[in-house]
This record gives sequence, C-alpha cells and structure tokens, in this order.
Amino acid sequence: GENVEQHPSTLSVQEGDSAVIKCTYSDSASNYFPWYKQELGKRPQLIIDIRSNVGEKKDQRIAVTLNKTAKHFSLHITETQPEDSAVYFCAAPSGYQKVTFGTGTKLQVIP
Amino acid sequence: NAGVTQTPKFRILKIGQSMTLQCTQDMNHNYMYWYRQDPGMGLKLIYYSVGAGITDKGEVPNGYNVSRSTTEDFPLRLELAAPSQTSVYFCASSLPTSSGYGYTFGSGTRLTVV
Repeated sequence: GENVEQHPSTLSVQEGDSAVIKCTYSDSASNYFPWYKQELGKRPQLIIDIRSNVGEKKDQRIAVTLNKTAKHFSLHITETQPEDSAVYFCAAPSGYQKVTFGTGTKLQVIP
Repeated sequence: NAGVTQTPKFRILKIGQSMTLQCTQDMNHNYMYWYRQDPGMGLKLIYYSVGAGITDKGEVPNGYNVSRSTTEDFPLRLELAAPSQTSVYFCASSLPTSSGYGYTFGSGTRLTVV
C-alpha cells in the first residue's frame, strides 16, 4: 500500500510569514493529492487538491506543488493569519478509491 | 443539503457493551468511509464501501463491522467494546471520479470506553 510521510509535525510561524508543509509518497502511480485542514475539535475539511497532470495549483493564499519525479508534494500558505492555525493532513491514493493520510502537521500562527 | 450526518456526537460505553454509530449522507455519493482518529494522531481507515451492498476492510477493522444496505447509510457496529476503541470516529463520503476525489467528512463521534 501507499506510504505517506509528512514533515514537519509541528510548525510555528509569525503572522504574515509563509508556511510550507511537505509530504512524500511511495507509489509512482498515484495521481491525486488532497490536503485537509482540521481545526481543533472539528472535522477535516478539504482545502486544496492537485492531480498528477499539473505541477502547481493556487487558491488565493494557498498553493500546492507536485514533483512527480521526486514523489513529493507540498502545501504553501502565504501571508499567514491566526485563523490558519490548525492541523494539516496530506493524503495520497492507496488503492481503489481510497487514500492514506499523512501523520499531520500542527501549524501555529503567532500574532 | 445536510452533507454527512453522524450520530451520536458523544458516547460513553462500558467494556463489553456494543453500539452502532450512525452515518448518513444526502449527496448521492457512492463511496463512504469510516476512520478513527486517536488523540493527537492521524486518520486510520476502518472500513469503506464503494456502493450499496459492497464493503471492504481498511487498515484497522478488528472489533468493528459495517453494512451498506442503501446509498445513503453506512452504520459502524462496535461489538464487545474495549478501551483501545476510545477514539473519535469520522464518517466520510466521496464521488467516484476517474482522476481523484475529495472527501466530505461528518462532524465525528467521540467515543469513550471505560
């Protein structure tokens, strides 16, 4: 099955700075890479995803980049705000219509 | 649309008791999933279903059972509850697409086994 590694496990940034979270995957056939945000005590919510036919996708302050050769993908958050504080999970396909999640990154944005 | 609805939100069980966690979705999604999330940890797949009448095991199925008699409902059954099953349980659903699929999660059921 797919093996997804996520780094760092915790990340503290000053408000307004950028944050980068990186994930690596093992299955070269994987073609879809979502990112989820989970606020404290809440459900995970899909914030952005990327398919293997593109190298980058942006949505306002959030972007995801994909390097298929190196088998890694990253989440970039620019101009961080306190409401960005949450746990972020990456995921990669691990068989027919299911995914394996990374271990999560707890992001703290310091005002 | 209510999305994915889970009940109950909280439950305390005694060791050896049984219970059913309910999950229903109104988005006509074919695919449904049950995950557990232990404190400070990631999401582990318990069971999933690609359509009514079809279910399959995930990473951590022991101690659980599921059924999928309709597209909308995907209940998770705990038999003989154990302290190791103390966790937050999330149900999720998705559409099948040829190139990827995002999950919609329910709000979770926080289960404590004492």
